[in-house]
Amino acid sequence: NAGVTQTPKFRILKIGQSMTLQCTQDMNHNYMYWYRQDPGMGLKLIYYSVGAGITDKGEVPNGYNVSRSTTEDFPLRLELAAPSQTSVYFCASLLTDTQYFGPGTRLTVL
Amino acid sequence: GENVEQHPSTLSVQEGDSAVIKCTYSDSASNYFPWYKQELGKRPQLIIDIRSNVGEKKDQRIAVTLNKTAKHFSLHITETQPEDSAVYFCAAPKGSGGSNYKLTFGKGTLLTVNP
Repeated sequence: NAGVTQTPKFRILKIGQSMTLQCTQDMNHNYMYWYRQDPGMGLKLIYYSVGAGITDKGEVPNGYNVSRSTTEDFPLRLELAAPSQTSVYFCASLLTDTQYFGPGTRLTVL
Repeated sequence: GENVEQHPSTLSVQEGDSAVIKCTYSDSASNYFPWYKQELGKRPQLIIDIRSNVGEKKDQRIAVTLNKTAKHFSLHITETQPEDSAVYFCAAPKGSGGSNYKLTFGKGTLLTVNP
């Protein structure tokens, strides 16, 4: 199993641009998450999904959107990038209380 | 919702010494407390967890203790080694009802083990 994979690893965006961060897991987990990690601030939950077709907001959803059309994929969409969205983004999936994280995407908005 | 406070934010120890990181939580209904380790540039990974029906759990050089009355839990690392250098995050379930699928994370502790 590849586990949780994310693409791209790095990305630089200009203010106002849009992009989609991709997340895929091959473990058939129902629960998936998107977090952002800012320096010294831990992990903040953006959105999560309890299964295909079901998504819900986390602590910091503003400026983001998600979809979950399949069990495997959980993409995160940034519509109008802002400097405040500069961060490291982690996708994760859940099995029996343990969250398995992807390698992360480092996003810079200039 | 759950509020998790983690201390200290940075910790520097000499190789072979012990390290202790403490977290407090606010929701007395919380019953699951994991610790994640994140090496520089890597993803967070679960290293140990504890449930509210036990007071202590050990796995080789790491242990976690839980005090439900005081609502705090701690990570203990003995005989520290340079490879223990990382950021450690505690977490507790967000919301009540015994469901652990959403977590609130502490802000992290940067542990540096000096050779």
